[in-house]
Amino acid sequence: KQEVTQIPAALSVPEGENLVLNCSFTDSAIYNLQWFRQDPGKGLTSLLLIQSSQREQTSGRLNASLDKSSGRSTLYIAASQPGDSATYLCAVSPFSSGSARQLTFGSGTQLTVLP
Amino acid sequence: SQTIHQWPATLVQPVGSPLSLECTVEGTSNPNLYWYRQAAGRGLQLLFYSVGIGQISSEVPQNLSASRPQDRQFILSSKKLLLSDSGFYLCACNGGTADGYTFGSGTRLTVV
Repeated sequence: KQEVTQIPAALSVPEGENLVLNCSFTDSAIYNLQWFRQDPGKGLTSLLLIQSSQREQTSGRLNASLDKSSGRSTLYIAASQPGDSATYLCAVSPFSSGSARQLTFGSGTQLTVLP
Repeated sequence: SQTIHQWPATLVQPVGSPLSLECTVEGTSNPNLYWYRQAAGRGLQLLFYSVGIGQISSEVPQNLSASRPQDRQFILSSKKLLLSDSGFYLCACNGGTADGYTFGSGTRLTVV
């Protein structure tokens, strides 16, 4: 059974710092990995999607890497801003005979960026 | 790109009352649809998924049921709510072989 772990559970940094969020998974046979952001009381917003054949994806100040063989992904946030404060969730989807893929989520990293 | 509409945003229901949460999808056809629950202090748990009209798969035994009467409509129901049904319910979709997931804005359900 796939298990996803995110470290740290919470992180507080001053504005402007670069930071790294970690995600590890136990079964390396994944189809893709997706990073989400969740603001309090809100739904999930997709940040980056990495296919199993890819090593990294970038969007603006965000860069996500994937090392499938070691079961790890990192989300790098450059020049953090108070608006980046949210919970960041990592989720992996398995290979499937169909297109329906059930995500396994980590418990998230709660990020606070202090002004 | 896909957009998911969920309503209501918040709901307070007494124990034993029925439930109906609705989710509709725009911007895609033949999506795979999912209901997740996020309980306080816990991760997201997959409840149901559907690959087509009338096709429902349940991941965990529970007091809830799901239906898909139309291609882009997914409904979560209960005949009699329990206190333990309280939580944040999220509808999601994906489609094709490379698409990631898109989530709705969620419904906060409090059973009192």
